[in-house]
Amino acid sequence: EIVLTQSPGTLSLSPGERATLSCRASQSVSSSYLAWYQQKPGQAPRLLIYGASSRATGIPDRFSGSGSGTDFTLTISRLEPEDFIVYYCQQYGSSPLFTFGPGTKVDI
Amino acid sequence: EVQLVESGGGLVQPGGSLRLSCAASGFTFSSYSMNWVRQAPGKGLEWVSFISSISSTIYYADSVKGRFTISRDNAKNSLYLQMNSLRAEDTAVYYCAVVVGGYSDYWGQGTLVTVSS
Repeated sequence: EIVLTQSPGTLSLSPGERATLSCRASQSVSSSYLAWYQQKPGQAPRLLIYGASSRATGIPDRFSGSGSGTDFTLTISRLEPEDFIVYYCQQYGSSPLFTFGPGTKVDI
Repeated sequence: EVQLVESGGGLVQPGGSLRLSCAASGFTFSSYSMNWVRQAPGKGLEWVSFISSISSTIYYADSVKGRFTISRDNAKNSLYLQMNSLRAEDTAVYYCAVVVGGYSDYWGQGTLVTVSS
């Protein structure tokens, strides 16, 4: 069973700074099936990145994804006030069929 | 505009049953696989169940296998989740989501299920 670990659990930064979020898988994940979501309190998740590095429709270019195998990274180049929320990585394909990481909260 | 609207949540006693619905519009529902994903209060996201476009492939998380049943009615553009033998740990907001290539670009607003005596 594949497990996704996200680090850090909480990332304390200031607006304008660069954020680097990590997602590590317990076994290799196809890059095609690694996604990142953001979630504001009380709202549904919003797709940011799919295929490890492709931005979803309407996502600003300050968000970028990278990585392969077991190590993936979401980078926010310059934090805007609305970016201080929670981010999840998700894999598809390995048992269980879908797995989410525990999330990283980006805090001011 | 793609819309997914969940309904059917509420308060139920442990051991009880509930049926969630997800009404889809704005896209060709019958062409897409769907997921149910849940989120316990203050916790992260947990995948619950997957169903392919024509219901030929169905998967469940181990935590709900044997208790939950996913189904869909493409003629009614609707997705369902029949939840039996509910436990306190099933308390969560349940989201339906469109699945494309292993990820979900469209989600409903969620419906809250509370299992408590």
